[in-house]
Amino acid sequence: ETGVTQTPRHLVMGMTNKKSLKCEQHLGHNAMYWYKQSAKKPLELMFVYSLEERVENNSVPSRFSPECPNSSHLFLHLHTLQPEDSALYLCASSLGQTNQETQYFGPGTRLLVL
Amino acid sequence: AQTVTQSQPEMSVQEAETVTLSCTYDTSESNYYLFWYKQPPSRQMILVIRQEAYKQQNATENRFSVNFQKAAKSFSLKISDSQLGDTAMYFCAFMKPGGSQGNLIFGKGTKLSVKP
Repeated sequence: ETGVTQTPRHLVMGMTNKKSLKCEQHLGHNAMYWYKQSAKKPLELMFVYSLEERVENNSVPSRFSPECPNSSHLFLHLHTLQPEDSALYLCASSLGQTNQETQYFGPGTRLLVL
Repeated sequence: AQTVTQSQPEMSVQEAETVTLSCTYDTSESNYYLFWYKQPPSRQMILVIRQEAYKQQNATENRFSVNFQKAAKSFSLKISDSQLGDTAMYFCAFMKPGGSQGNLIFGKGTKLSVKP
């Protein structure tokens, strides 16, 4: 266990559904991240939050909407997704505001969009 | 732009033997950080080892060690005395200090199977 939890672990949704992914870290970290992991592709950084402020948005479509209500929780709200959005979504956290810090990952949410 | 290349999509090794996973990267930076992450079938990504580019000494963590060749931009991972629990996807990653917060660049990964 890395101290980063994600729920749900598996999610199936239709293209018209709205759902949310949740991430929680118990490490006292100040930065949190969302990554997308697709088959045979490198992990893609989606969003970065530092001290609850979004500091990075890597050209992610607006159908993905992140929310960071406090430094321990991170959400990814999903709406009108496409089948190509099916992937493993990983959350990570790191200690401080510098980017020398090691990132610790959660177990991921396996998302299937039908 | 930085890139990370893992040229071995899959590898296998017999239990108790040694295996080396390769990783090369491309950057014009002189100071940066390199990582190896392990992702077992349960999917939780775990840090295996970390190397700071300004350190000449190769990092080691128990059975895991790296061969860091800065001039060649090579960062291979050696696993000694392989165990069944080492079966996993292994990802090499690059991080540049400064600039975007925590921007890790990952390779595509190497799937390692340890056979009994």
